[in-house]
Amino acid sequence: DAKTTQPPSMDCAEGRAANLPCNHSTISGNEYVYWYRQIHSQGPQYIIHGLKNNETNEMASLIITEDRKSSTLILPHATLRDTAVYYCIVRVGGGNTGKLIFGQGTTLQVKP
Amino acid sequence: GAVVSQHPSWVICKSGTSVKIECRSLDFQATTMFWYRQFPKQSLMLMATSNEGSKATYEQGVEKDKFLINHASLTLSTLTVTSAHPEDSSFYICSAVGTPGSGSYNEQFFGPGTRLTVL
Repeated sequence: DAKTTQPPSMDCAEGRAANLPCNHSTISGNEYVYWYRQIHSQGPQYIIHGLKNNETNEMASLIITEDRKSSTLILPHATLRDTAVYYCIVRVGGGNTGKLIFGQGTTLQVKP
Repeated sequence: GAVVSQHPSWVICKSGTSVKIECRSLDFQATTMFWYRQFPKQSLMLMATSNEGSKATYEQGVEKDKFLINHASLTLSTLTVTSAHPEDSSFYICSAVGTPGSGSYNEQFFGPGTRLTVL
């Protein structure tokens, strides 16, 4: 699976949009981009995933560049409860064939 | 959404004893479950992939005789840390994937984790 590069930490003001970047320059055509987050001492929580089209759900939006070498997770209106470590992961396929290999992630601190 | 539980949520044991951690998918059937370990201030490390009715597949460097995994049903996988030592103290997290064709097939659902402390 392709490796990902994320900034180690970011700050965001409460109520503003949080834009978390991820580089995955070696991604293959059949690899999906997944985003998870982990709030302290809890299990990871699924946020969103995509292949090549931009995706949006009730939690966030995922913008994938046309060459698929990078993506951005957007939390439109960050709250204090969004403070967490955010992991960008690429993996082959879905279902039970796709292992998730976690990198170091980005620690997002939402400030009042 | 799909829910995965773990039991116990935390456990303290003496060095040399064995500890069993349960991972259950509560409202869906899981053909595959994964086990992760996380040390303080570090990322999750995949330990093994557990498939119902077959032997687990361990990641490189993970001792299969020390970390016994059993996936006897579509809703339960267990991880047993045998002869635990202080260096095994960690946060153990499981995840589950639904059966093919189900709404939960393309997503891994994570449990809340189990904090193991070995004295």
